[in-house]
Amino acid sequence: AQTVTQSQPEMSVQEAETVTLSCTYDTSESDYYLFWYKQPPSRQMILVIRQEAYKQQNATENRFSVNFQKAAKSFSLKISDSQLGDAAMYFCAYEGRDQFYFGTGTSLTVIP
Amino acid sequence: EPEVTQTPSHQVTQMGQEVILRCVPISNHLYFYWYRQILGQKVEFLVSFYNNEISEKSEIFDDQFSVERPDGSNFTLKIRSTKLEDSAMYFCASRDTQANTEAFFGQGTRLTVV
Repeated sequence: AQTVTQSQPEMSVQEAETVTLSCTYDTSESDYYLFWYKQPPSRQMILVIRQEAYKQQNATENRFSVNFQKAAKSFSLKISDSQLGDAAMYFCAYEGRDQFYFGTGTSLTVIP
Repeated sequence: EPEVTQTPSHQVTQMGQEVILRCVPISNHLYFYWYRQILGQKVEFLVSFYNNEISEKSEIFDDQFSVERPDGSNFTLKIRSTKLEDSAMYFCASRDTQANTEAFFGQGTRLTVV
């Protein structure tokens, strides 16, 4: 069965600094998608960035980028120039053939 | 960009009442999903739906739950007799085909059972 592990329940970063959130997953599939979602206090699930497993190039989206290591089954999120509005719960998610699998989340605090 | 829309954004209901959560998937999508997230916990799969029938469901999705695509555009989740522990955020998602395409999530419906 697919599993997604986020080993950091909480992280903090100084405003304007860079932070990396870790995620590992387990799967036997070869084609899949990986996502990072941001969940603010409103609890809406906001897509931050997506990565297709067949693409070797790491996805980037403005200040957000990933380090996708397919062989190691690792998918970390780097947030550069952190802003106060980045404070939220971040979920790593794996999408296979049948459904999404979510990690337990990392709560990010941004310190002014 | 096309999006999945869910209504209402927040629903408050009394314990024992029936509730229907509505989702409008992206128009050309064929696979539909419901997930839920109890406050402070991870997002959990409830059910997937394809070709007008349930294709997979989790152990959470018991007889109190049902799904329907009544008119070709809406995709609904019904909870027959709500319990306090049904209070959660419910997310709908849809995807185009089963293989190698991504699914899109709605913004969620917060269900509060009192």
